[in-house]
Amino acid sequence: DQQVKQNSPSLSVQEGRISILNCDYTNSMFDYFLWYKKYPAEGPTFLISISSIKDKNEDGRFTVFLNKSAKHLSLHIVPSQPGDSAVYFCAASDPSGGGADGLTFGKGTHLIIQP
Amino acid sequence: GAGVSQSPRYKVAKRGQDVALRCDPISGHVSLFWYQQALGQGPEFLTYFQNEAQLDKSGLPSDRFFAERPEGSVSTLKIQRTQQEDSAVYLCASSRVPGLASNEQFFGPGTRLTVL
Repeated sequence: DQQVKQNSPSLSVQEGRISILNCDYTNSMFDYFLWYKKYPAEGPTFLISISSIKDKNEDGRFTVFLNKSAKHLSLHIVPSQPGDSAVYFCAASDPSGGGADGLTFGKGTHLIIQP
Repeated sequence: GAGVSQSPRYKVAKRGQDVALRCDPISGHVSLFWYQQALGQGPEFLTYFQNEAQLDKSGLPSDRFFAERPEGSVSTLKIQRTQQEDSAVYLCASSRVPGLASNEQFFGPGTRLTVL
């Protein structure tokens, strides 16, 4: 069963508008969340992260929101640019020692920015 | 370059062959992770090294998979008697500090393994 879920396989947004990518998780032991961006034939690159003690983290055009009670996080990109077209992965970690030492990833959302 | 490198980038193997995939992490990075990414899926954790010690191998799917990092830098993921379900992109990532997976991990470009 998927512990990190990205229910939208793809999302199309017009250039200049806001892109909102969603992620849900089921494991209440997750306490750190990351977003990675991936271009074809390249490895994922780190974008932004958030600790469970916060509900918002902002870095330039990118903002991540965390709703712990709903076990939901979202990535907002504003304004969206053509170079933002990529696959975005949501990832989570459980540092309690009860889970694996690696990140748990969602399946990804393919974001397409239309001119 | 200064990033994580992996070789080969592409590998085609006949079913039953053994393969070895190499990862060169960023110099000085203590932590090294291997992930498997099947088509249309997100990366799935395989194993974790802190320096030369393999601290977690809970994600390795079978005893045909073996990883090592003998000198705490370069790592090799070996798959014995490859099967078609082993076809995937194998990603290596490294991190500057030990321990928690919450630290930013730098990924290599991956090795795409196709088993015929």
